[in-house]
Amino acid sequence: DGGITQSPKYLFRKEGQNVTLSCEQNLNHDAMYWYRQDPGQGLRLIYYSQIVNDFQKGDIAEGYSVSREKKESFPLTVTSAQKNPTAFYLCASIPSGRDTGELFFGEGSRLTVL
Amino acid sequence: GQNIDQPTEMTATEGAIVQINCTYQTSGFNGLFWYQQHAGEAPTFLSYNVLDGLEEKGRFSSFLSRSKGYSYLLLKELQMKDSASYLCAAMDSNYQLIWGAGTKLIIKP
Repeated sequence: DGGITQSPKYLFRKEGQNVTLSCEQNLNHDAMYWYRQDPGQGLRLIYYSQIVNDFQKGDIAEGYSVSREKKESFPLTVTSAQKNPTAFYLCASIPSGRDTGELFFGEGSRLTVL
Repeated sequence: GQNIDQPTEMTATEGAIVQINCTYQTSGFNGLFWYQQHAGEAPTFLSYNVLDGLEEKGRFSSFLSRSKGYSYLLLKELQMKDSASYLCAAMDSNYQLIWGAGTKLIIKP
C-alpha cells in the first residue's frame, strides 16, 4: 500500500549529537514537509520541498537541515545547534495537484534529548 | 500576519453533538482542512473545504464561510473514540498550511 514511512519512531539523543530522521513516501508526491509539534501546540513548519533538489526554510528552520536528492526521500537532520530538540516530528506530503486536498502524514518520530 | 484561532478545549457527552469553531486570517486562501489527532499519533484527515457551504461525511460535517474567515467542524452522535485533538489549518496563496493549536475534545459518558 502507498504511504509515508518515518523512522525511527522513538529516538534518544545525547546533547551535542546530530541525528537524522528518515521520511520515505511511495505516493509519487512532489511536495514534502517536516513539522515539529510540542505538547499542546499546533504544527510548526521546519522545512519543505516542492521538487527534487530544492527545499525552503519554514518558520523554525534554525538548527535543522534537510536534503531532497530523490523524490521519495526527505530526511531531516537535527543538529547540535538546535537548543531544544525534544519534540514530536511529523513528515508529510501532498499530491502534485495542490488543490486536491489531503496532506498525508507519516506516523511521526519522537525525539528525546537526554 | 497569518493566524488561526480555535478553542483550546471542549467537553461533550457521549451521543451528543459538538461544534468546534475555527477562524482564520491568511494571505490568500486555498482551502481549509480539519484533522483529528489522538495523543501520540499523527493527524488523520477529516475534511477539506474550499467553497462556501457545508460538506457532510458520515457523523462529521465541515462548514466554510470564506467572507467571514470562519469554519466549523460538527461531530454528531459522539462516541468515546472521538476524544482527540482537532486541528484546523488554512492553506495560503503559496499553498502553505497555517495550523491552529488544536482543540482538545473530551467526551464524557
